[in-house]
Amino acid sequence: AQTVTQSQPEMSVQEAETVTLSCTYDTSESDYYLFWYKQPPSRQMILVIRQEAYKQQNATENRFSVNFQKAAKSFSLKISDSQLGDAAMYFCASPGNTPLVFGKGTRLSVIA
Amino acid sequence: GAGVSQSPRYKVAKRGQDVALRCDPISGHVSLFWYQQALGQGPEFLTYFQNEAQLDKSGLPSDRFFAERPEGSVSTLKIQRTQQEDSAVYLCASSLGTLGQETQYFGPGTRLLVL
Repeated sequence: AQTVTQSQPEMSVQEAETVTLSCTYDTSESDYYLFWYKQPPSRQMILVIRQEAYKQQNATENRFSVNFQKAAKSFSLKISDSQLGDAAMYFCASPGNTPLVFGKGTRLSVIA
Repeated sequence: GAGVSQSPRYKVAKRGQDVALRCDPISGHVSLFWYQQALGQGPEFLTYFQNEAQLDKSGLPSDRFFAERPEGSVSTLKIQRTQQEDSAVYLCASSLGTLGQETQYFGPGTRLLVL
């Protein structure tokens, strides 16, 4: 089965510091997109950032950036200058046996 | 414009009841997805529509689950003879074009509790 693995169930970061959330995936697709979604408590899932696999350049979106290692099938999310509003569940997603396969998520706490 | 909406937001059902969950995708979005999210887990794929065609229903856990999108817009997920293990949040998402390259936009979900 094609899977997405997030090895950190929980992470915490001090406000204004940097944190990296890890993700590995397993897809047989040759050309694909990868996604990080954020799900705040009791709120809906929103896209944080996406990466086109055929692009070597890592995607960046304001304070959010990715470290994409295609050969290793690794797709980590770096959050810089963490803010209290960044506290949420973060899900990594890639194509697999179904249109999009999600990891189990990492719960990020931000400490003031 | 309006995002993806889902109704009801909360549903309590007695075991054995039938339930219907509605999803209104973003206007003009071709693709529509249903996911099941258990507590503390990531969303798990149920089924996918492109316009009115159901292209993938491999994630539906049993024949008690049925989804439709008859006019290529609103979709309904129906669960017959609900069981306690059906308790979960059901998420709907839509995307503008073909799967794989398009961002999926999620609704707020319907939280189903089967007693």
